[in-house]
Amino acid sequence: DTAVSQTPKYLVTQMGNDKSIKCEQNLGHDTMYWYKQDSKKFLKIMFSYNNKELIINETVPNRFSPKSPDKAHLNLHINSLELGDSAVYFCASSNRDYTDTQYFGPGTRLTVL
Amino acid sequence: LAKTTQPISMDSYEGQEVNITCSHNNIATNDYITWYQQFPSQGPRFIIQGYKTKVTNEVASLFIPADRKSSTLSLPRVSLSDTAVYYCLVNFNKFYFGSGTKLNVKP
Repeated sequence: DTAVSQTPKYLVTQMGNDKSIKCEQNLGHDTMYWYKQDSKKFLKIMFSYNNKELIINETVPNRFSPKSPDKAHLNLHINSLELGDSAVYFCASSNRDYTDTQYFGPGTRLTVL
Repeated sequence: LAKTTQPISMDSYEGQEVNITCSHNNIATNDYITWYQQFPSQGPRFIIQGYKTKVTNEVASLFIPADRKSSTLSLPRVSLSDTAVYYCLVNFNKFYFGSGTKLNVKP
């Protein structure tokens, strides 16, 4: 069983489109995260949810909107995609909060043309 | 914000011990130091975590001096499969991974 799963693994789309990335964890964790990794391998936190509540919202354009229907799922919706949004997006989860080990998903490679 | 500084890349040969040092001059009193490993096309994976002195597990050792302004990840007898990017993480409030150290293990 995959602990943290993301779909799709690859996403190629045109500028201006709206797309969503889904994440699910079966670890029973309370906290989930979205990270963005650019071409230089910098891994930056975007959002964090604890029990469906937003607790971290870094400096991210309003075009990015996370949604957590329950504590096992954290989806990322992106409106009006731009070239600079091209990156690998990782979902992660941890047991209680940020002091616990994070478990990462396999990533979604987003390419905006 | 406790940023970290690591070498961008390192080369090693199979069977050697590899030490990767991370500087974190502004580490806070309640910060732990955590190292993650990332293989190509995969998400980062936890390796080891420590607060002070030395921590050892089945994968690596972590050495932290008394002032805690740096830490060293030690990988004993590396193999080709240890080729990966290694991230040092401190200051859990901001989850700053940086760009990591790309370790290249040669045969």
